[in-house]
Parts: sequence; C-alpha cells; structure tokens
Amino acid sequence: DTAVSQTPKYLVTQMGNDKSIKCEQNLGHDTMYWYKQDSKKFLKIMFSYNNKELIINETVPNRFSPKSPDKAHLNLHINSLELGDSAVYFCASSPQGDQPQHFGDGTRLSIL
Amino acid sequence: AQSVAQPEDQVNVAEGNPLTVKCTYSVSGNPYLFWYVQYPNRGLQFLLKYITGDNLVKGSYGFEAEFNKSQTSFHLKKPSALVSDSALYFCAVRDAAGGSYIPTFGRGTSLIVHP
Repeated sequence: DTAVSQTPKYLVTQMGNDKSIKCEQNLGHDTMYWYKQDSKKFLKIMFSYNNKELIINETVPNRFSPKSPDKAHLNLHINSLELGDSAVYFCASSPQGDQPQHFGDGTRLSIL
Repeated sequence: AQSVAQPEDQVNVAEGNPLTVKCTYSVSGNPYLFWYVQYPNRGLQFLLKYITGDNLVKGSYGFEAEFNKSQTSFHLKKPSALVSDSALYFCAVRDAAGGSYIPTFGRGTSLIVHP
C-alpha cells in the first residue's frame, strides 16, 4: 500500500541522454516536491508544486523540468544529462499546513 | 529566512545508553519543527514534530524531542539506544508565519549505535 512511489528505482544512463522519473502519491496531498540527495547525503529542494503553483529553486539548471499531469503525479524530466547529475532523487508529498512530508524511496541515477 | 543546523556529522553511542542528536534553528516567526530518519536505500520517514503546546514531544520508535525556545533548539533523544536505531537523522524547520511552505532541512547526523 505504497503512499509515494517513484519509478524507476535505479537509472543508469550515458551523458547527454534525456530521462524521466515518475512520481505518484495516493495520499490525496495538495503539494508535491522533488529533492536531490548528493553523495554527502545533503538534501536539496529542487521543485515544489502546490495547486498548480510551481516553485523552482533558482540554483537548479533549466535542464531539469517538472511536469504535473494531475494532483497525484509530479514527474521529473532531465535533458542532456551530465556527470554531476548522479545522485539520488526523492519525491515527497504533504498536505497543507503543519503536516510532515511523505517521501518515496528514491531513484538512484548514475551517469556513465 | 529560515535555517537549521545539525552541528554533529556523526554521533556514536553504545547500545542501551541514552542518545541525543542536536538541532538548532532560526526562523522569523514561530517554528514548525520536524525530525525524520533515513535508513539505507530508503526515503526519509517522519519521526515526530513540534507545532505548539507541550515542549516535550513523543514520536515513533521511542524517540522524543524537546523544544527549547530560548535556545532555539529541538534536540532528538532516546533513553536507551538500540543497534537498529543506527541511521541518518534529519531535522527540518518551517516558519509558521507564512512565506514559503517548503521546510528547510539540516545536513543530517549519522547515528551509530555500537553493540
């Protein structure tokens, strides 16, 4: 009964390719997020999507683009992958207000 | 602006001993504070939160945290550590006064419980 699910779990690809990571939540939450966790385990917010309002972390390269077909889905598309994109990407969701976030188990992206 | 600091990269404790993982924060208004745990190859899991009320908050797996407004701290504690508590712990803060609804996470503290 997965709450926040991401696919694929592992993604190995070559530099220059374009790839997408899918995220779905079945919790009925209003807000979804994408985080990047680097090799030092530091979590960096990339995007947040709340009621069709997209908040972008200005430090994220424009090769990264979120796409939300509906409230339960927030996919991440990455163009022209670079070596530095290798990381674990986490999707999360939360209701509005003072409630905690629920995280998926991550997508491990490796660039060859 | 909101920020959170976890001053220790790693905490080592013997099984059965009490443990503390430190967190300090900075917000303009009142804080919403959260602790999460991350096990290897898993996403973050919510442990406990402080929104308002009693300064001592109890959460999952026997963990608790104490909100201290004067010291702007929200340290995570457990009276008796288990080897299975070994994981990465994140503190997060959000300003209840509004602005961004996106919480800010600390850099994480690796807890190692020795048998």
